[in-house]
Amino acid sequence: KAGVTQTPRYLIKTRGQQVTLSCSPISGHRSVSWYQQTPGQGLQFLFEYFSETQRNKGNFPGRFSGRQFSNSRSEMNVSTLELGDSALYLCASSFDGGPREQYFGPGTRLTVT
Amino acid sequence: GENVEQHPSTLSVQEGDSAVIKCTYSDSASNYFPWYKQELGKRPQLIIDIRSNVGEKKDQRIAVTLNKTAKHFSLHITETQPEDSAVYFCAASSGYGNKLVFGAGTILRVKS
Repeated sequence: KAGVTQTPRYLIKTRGQQVTLSCSPISGHRSVSWYQQTPGQGLQFLFEYFSETQRNKGNFPGRFSGRQFSNSRSEMNVSTLELGDSALYLCASSFDGGPREQYFGPGTRLTVT
Repeated sequence: GENVEQHPSTLSVQEGDSAVIKCTYSDSASNYFPWYKQELGKRPQLIIDIRSNVGEKKDQRIAVTLNKTAKHFSLHITETQPEDSAVYFCAASSGYGNKLVFGAGTILRVKS
């Protein structure tokens, strides 16, 4: 099976802009979670989608949002970008409602200038 | 909410020695504990996991132990090799969904 894929791999945006990141889970997986990884804060949970419904949400401002489509692909959106949003955004897919094994994508490196 | 503490932050061992990384968690409802290995510039890779109804799990040179009473779990790597050098993260999930709370990570260096 193909692994988790994310697009784009790299993004450079300006403060105030918005960005949309995409994640395609492993075929047959219905859960997609998003994480932010930074050197200072480590790996932090953003949110999880399961069967097109947001099931868990981390402690991030409302500028961070997401959705999941009927084919389990997921997108996350960050509006009004701030310098502190620069990070590696990772998505992870899991077969079902969990908790169980999660497999990460390669990430999207977002740089906000 | 759940909090996971991980120690040490860096660990240097000689090739062939064992390495142990320890994590403690705060939420007694946590019931799933995975470990991830992340090499520089790569994605986190699941290397082993354990559930709360199991005390120990082994996979070749890697083992994980869980002490529910003390709320801590540990990763043991035996006969370390240079390719084991990476950042290792522990995590905990409290049972609803797949939300993982991660430890801060341990940089493992295996010297040959």
